[in-house]
Amino acid sequence: QKEVEQNSGPLSVPEGAIASLNCTYSDRGSQSFFWYRQYSGKSPELIMFIYSNGDKEDGRFTAQLNKASQYVSLLIRDSQPSDSATYLCAVNIGNQFYFGTGTSLTVIP
Amino acid sequence: GAGVSQSPSNKVTEKGKDVELRCDPISGHTALYWYRQSLGQGLEFLIYFQGNSAPDKSGLPSDRFSAERTGGSVSTLTIQRTQQEDSAVYLCASSRWTSGADTQYFGPGTRLTVL
Repeated sequence: QKEVEQNSGPLSVPEGAIASLNCTYSDRGSQSFFWYRQYSGKSPELIMFIYSNGDKEDGRFTAQLNKASQYVSLLIRDSQPSDSATYLCAVNIGNQFYFGTGTSLTVIP
Repeated sequence: GAGVSQSPSNKVTEKGKDVELRCDPISGHTALYWYRQSLGQGLEFLIYFQGNSAPDKSGLPSDRFSAERTGGSVSTLTIQRTQQEDSAVYLCASSRWTSGADTQYFGPGTRLTVL
């Protein structure tokens, strides 16, 4: 079983809608959780991290963590075409970071 | 520098040759990670350096892969006797410390193609 699982998509949403990206993890020892955005041909860039249960908001982005259910999600409000990218979920266990395979998001103008 | 830098940006080599990939982390970052990303795949952890501690090599796929970090800064990933399955983008990341709440900053990557 992979440490981190994501639906590969593709996920398509119309411009202005809410995009919801989900991630589950297997190790209850996971300490911190990260969402990265990766444009095609580019390296990952951090969007948000979260380590406490609940919601964390940053502009149009909200990360949600539920440790009991072992999932973390990312909501993107008022989606823009520039949000079209692959979104990688990562969890931190000790010294290592485990990444999911990413969810491809397309925002349709 | 302002960010993590990697060189070369692209490397094409023939099967069986050795290659060296370089990573220059953000100044002051003590932790350095190497990953590889194959087409359509997630990031695969390779090796981790933290300060002067022994590196965590648990992700290296074979003994053809090795890495070193000189002076706690620049790191070199070496792949000996390259194989076609080594073709991937090799990403380096650095972070300030090992706390799970800290974050990694990625370099632009080296795209390796083994013919």
